Amino acid sequence: DAKTTQPNSMESNEEEPVHLPCNHSTISGTDYIHWYRQLPSQGPEYVIHGLTSNVNNRMASLAIAEDRKSSTLILHRATLRDAAVYYCIRTPNFGNEKLTFGTGTRLTIIP
Amino acid sequence: DSGVTQTPKHLITATGQRVTLRCSPRSGDLSVYWYQQSLDQGLQFLIQYYNGEERAKGNILERFSAQQFPDLHSELNLSSLELGDSALYFCASSRGLAGGEQYFGPGTRLTVT
Repeated sequence: DAKTTQPNSMESNEEEPVHLPCNHSTISGTDYIHWYRQLPSQGPEYVIHGLTSNVNNRMASLAIAEDRKSSTLILHRATLRDAAVYYCIRTPNFGNEKLTFGTGTRLTIIP
Repeated sequence: DSGVTQTPKHLITATGQRVTLRCSPRSGDLSVYWYQQSLDQGLQFLIQYYNGEERAKGNILERFSAQQFPDLHSELNLSSLELGDSALYFCASSRGLAGGEQYFGPGTRLTVT
């Protein structure tokens, strides 16, 4: 099974950057890294994904290690609305039909 | 708003009953996925349909079935309900077969009493 390891929980102060780590030491060359988050009482929400190089979008940045065995989701300026469970998921490049969610990291934002 | 709609929002029913959950994907999306989220099992993939055809199966019980209609909406049927089936059921959709970027609906909370 596609396995990733994330810390169970993290805290960050509002308006400061947040770095959420993810280990995926058994990743294969064609696996993408996807990040989703789930806000309280909502469905999961796509955040960002990448393969080898770092990626940026309006929500976050994704930094992927050179050996691809780990990655970091970066929220540049956390707001209270970013409090959620963040999931790091490996997906094969070829027709993977399902997302395998682990336990994720519960991010708490301190006002 | 993801563009994925699910009805009903809440459902309370008794053990042994049968219910149908409905999902409308985002406009243009051909794949529909169903997930179950319970406190003890987390988010688990149940089944995927692509353009009307079953594409992949996960941890879906035999008492559960799904289908995707020509207009691409999907229904998840749960029968002979047990207390342990109480959970949040999410539907997600994506453009094509490769489901990395999926858009989730708000979910249906099922309570079996």
